[in-house]
Amino acid sequence: ETGVTQSPTHLIKTRGQQVTLRCSSQSGHNTVSWYQQALGQGPQFIFQYYREEENGRGNFPPRFSGLQFPNYSSELNVNALELDDSALYLCASSGGQGHEQYFGPGTRLTVT
Amino acid sequence: GDSVTQMEGPVTLSEEAFLTINCTYTATGYPSLFWYVQYPGEGLQLLLKATKADDKGSNKGFEATYRKETTSFHLEKGSVQVSDSAVYFCALRDPGTYKYIFGTGTRLKVLA
Repeated sequence: ETGVTQSPTHLIKTRGQQVTLRCSSQSGHNTVSWYQQALGQGPQFIFQYYREEENGRGNFPPRFSGLQFPNYSSELNVNALELDDSALYLCASSGGQGHEQYFGPGTRLTVT
Repeated sequence: GDSVTQMEGPVTLSEEAFLTINCTYTATGYPSLFWYVQYPGEGLQLLLKATKADDKGSNKGFEATYRKETTSFHLEKGSVQVSDSAVYFCALRDPGTYKYIFGTGTRLKVLA
């Protein structure tokens, strides 16, 4: 059974640019959540996708958007990058909305 | 809104010492409670969970009991090892939205 995978591992972008992060959910999981973890902080919920529909969102501006595909993999897109967007972005998948989440290793984004 | 408060770290202990990491929460309704562990450069791993009052979660020698009366979920281990050095996150899952809310994390350092 393959766990949650994320790509790329590390990324450096310039302020104002756009970025796309990718997540492959664990086999059999239909729910994906994205989190932003700033240095020294706990993960902050960005949004969740269940069967290709967004069904929950945290306090993040609209320039944070996402997609979930028919195979339940997912993308996180961030437009107009700001310095404060520098963080570890974590993806977590689960077998349903109330089920345990399993986290990927994260993508470290640095905005300069 | 819902929140999780953890004791500030770092916590530094000698090998075989007793560990307690305090966690309290504020929530409407009856959330599920979790402890996650994050090793350097990695994503979060589920350590243990409890879904209702008085439940005790346990794994790898770690334990935590869901105390509704004190809104707490303190993590304990009777004898820590150097390999337990990591950051520990307490989290709750809102029963209505299934959103996870994390504490800020407590760094544990165990010395040989």
